[in-house]
Amino acid sequence: KQEVTQIPAALSVPEGENLVLNCSFTDSAIYNLQWFRQDPGKGLTSLLLIQSSQREQTSGRLNASLDKSSGRSTLYIAASQPGDSATYLCAVRPEGGYQKVTFGTGTKLQVIP
Amino acid sequence: NAGVTQTPKFRVLKTGQSMTLLCAQDMNHEYMYWYRQDPGMGLRLIHYSVGEGTTAKGEVPDGYNVSRLKKQNFLLGLESAAPSQTSVYFCASRLGTAGNTIYFGEGSWLTVV
Repeated sequence: KQEVTQIPAALSVPEGENLVLNCSFTDSAIYNLQWFRQDPGKGLTSLLLIQSSQREQTSGRLNASLDKSSGRSTLYIAASQPGDSATYLCAVRPEGGYQKVTFGTGTKLQVIP
Repeated sequence: NAGVTQTPKFRVLKTGQSMTLLCAQDMNHEYMYWYRQDPGMGLRLIHYSVGEGTTAKGEVPDGYNVSRLKKQNFLLGLESAAPSQTSVYFCASRLGTAGNTIYFGEGSWLTVV
């Protein structure tokens, strides 16, 4: 059974700092990995999706990397801003199992002005 | 753009009562999902649908039923609510196997007393 872990559960950083969020998974037979952002009281918003054949994806100040063999993904946020404060979740879709997406429990990020 | 809309947003039920959560999407998506989100447990798939008239069980289907009579709507029913069903429920949709981005609704907060 796939297990997805995100450590730390919470992170507090000063504004302007570059930071890395971690996501690890136990089964490397994945189809893709997706990073989401969740604001309090809201649903999940997709940030980046990395296919299993890719090593990284970038969108603005965000960069996500994927190392399938080691079962790890990182989300790099450059020059953090208070508006980046949210919970960040990663989700893994297995090969051939389009519906069996496994979500991590998330990292709650607070960027202090 | 409405995207994925869930109703109601908040509801308090007494144990044993029944209710239905409605999810509507206006993106002509084939796939629709119901998840529940509980502290420390991440999102867990309850039921899903791969098209109009189809439904399938997810990870935690017990105590819930679903229907997809129209492509744009996916209903989640609780026949006899239990306190263990107190949770935040999220509906999501996806275009199809080629469309990997998943879109979430803003959630429905359900409390069973």
